[in-house]
Amino acid sequence: DAGVTQSPTHLIKTRGQQVTLRCSPISGHKSVSWYQQVLGQGPQFIFQYYEKEERGRGNFPDRFSARQFPNYSSELNVNALLLGDSALYLCASSVLAGGPYEQYFGPGTRLTVT
Amino acid sequence: AQRVTQPEKLLSVFKGAPVELKCNYSYSGSPELFWYVQYSRQRLQLLLRHISRESIKGFTADLNKGETSFHLKKPFAQEEDSAMYYCALAYSGGGADGLTFGKGTHLIIQP
Repeated sequence: DAGVTQSPTHLIKTRGQQVTLRCSPISGHKSVSWYQQVLGQGPQFIFQYYEKEERGRGNFPDRFSARQFPNYSSELNVNALLLGDSALYLCASSVLAGGPYEQYFGPGTRLTVT
Repeated sequence: AQRVTQPEKLLSVFKGAPVELKCNYSYSGSPELFWYVQYSRQRLQLLLRHISRESIKGFTADLNKGETSFHLKKPFAQEEDSAMYYCALAYSGGGADGLTFGKGTHLIIQP
């Protein structure tokens, strides 16, 4: 198993545009979480999905949305991009949702907004 | 709201010396705490969790609820321990089931 995969690796967008990031979890994992990591900071929780339902949401504006598909892969969408959205976006999968389950992280998508 | 504090941005020690990476947390519920590590050019991965009470790669961490701390310790540092270390707290309730991370400590082991 290749582990959690994310695409694309890098992305450059202009302010005001929209972006979609993709994540494929480890086979057998039903939960996917998204994190934003700004340079010099730890990852910050955005969403958690389990069995296609939103399980939790961090303190992010409504410009951020996500969904999970029947095959448990997930997309993160960000509308009306701001310069401050420039960050590394991490996807993590776990067997089940909830705190005690180990989260396995992907390599991330580096988003640059100009 | 929950918070994780790692007071040291950078920690440099010599090989063979003891290492302690500090982590303090604030959380009103019963915390579940983790240490994640990111080696150079690798992805973020779990190092250990407090509920397992295990030693991984010689590292241990004890949850001290009185001091709200979860410091990571290793008696004798090795060069391969050089990495970025993040302390994280798992919380649930209020509609959010995610990890709250500290800002991380960059550990450098000098030969």
